[in-house]
Amino acid sequence: LAKTTQPISMDSYEGQEVNITCSHNNIATNDYITWYQQFPSQGPRFIIQGYKTKVTNEVASLFIPADRKSSTLSLPRVSLSDTAVYYCLVGSYTGRRALTFGSGTRLQVQP
Amino acid sequence: NAGVMQNPRHLVRRRGQEARLRCSPMKGHSHVYWYRQLPEEGLKFMVYLQKENIIDESGMPKERFSAEFPKEGPSILRIQQVVRGDSAAYFCASSPPYTSGGDNSYNEQFFGPGTRLTVL
Repeated sequence: LAKTTQPISMDSYEGQEVNITCSHNNIATNDYITWYQQFPSQGPRFIIQGYKTKVTNEVASLFIPADRKSSTLSLPRVSLSDTAVYYCLVGSYTGRRALTFGSGTRLQVQP
Repeated sequence: NAGVMQNPRHLVRRRGQEARLRCSPMKGHSHVYWYRQLPEEGLKFMVYLQKENIIDESGMPKERFSAEFPKEGPSILRIQQVVRGDSAAYFCASSPPYTSGGDNSYNEQFFGPGTRLTVL
């Protein structure tokens, strides 16, 4: 499984755009990039998934450069309720279906 | 449409007792996964089950831990003779059946609220 590296923590203010970058230098051809969000005392929640270029949904955007060795989760105009831990996961999901979580990025949004 | 349910939400056990954690997957989901999370760490995979079958238990300790997902009823994670190191949050996730020929890239798992086990 490709190892992922992401910042341990980030701070932001309400209304700002937040970009969290994840490095995955050993990503395989069949691997997809998935981001999960976890609030305190809750289970993780799927945010977005992509393979290449850009993916956007109602919650976030995911930017993946051509070499796919990194990806950036973009949260537009964050609010206090976006304070959470964000996990970047890489895997093909066609074989072993277990998700591999790293330590994640702890985002703290200030008023 | 109810999400993944886990109970109890909090469980306190003394060393040497047994802990039973229950997970009811989302309606229509036949795949269940158990994960363990220590404070300030990410989730660690333990076991993956389908109805009446253990598919992957590579992350589960070989002693004292067992899991089942019977034909009827919830999935159960059982920890015998608990020790203080078993104190953690245990999360269950479920996913729909894997469809051959479909979008094989998509593997969203839906997580429950977790059971927080405290061993005294």
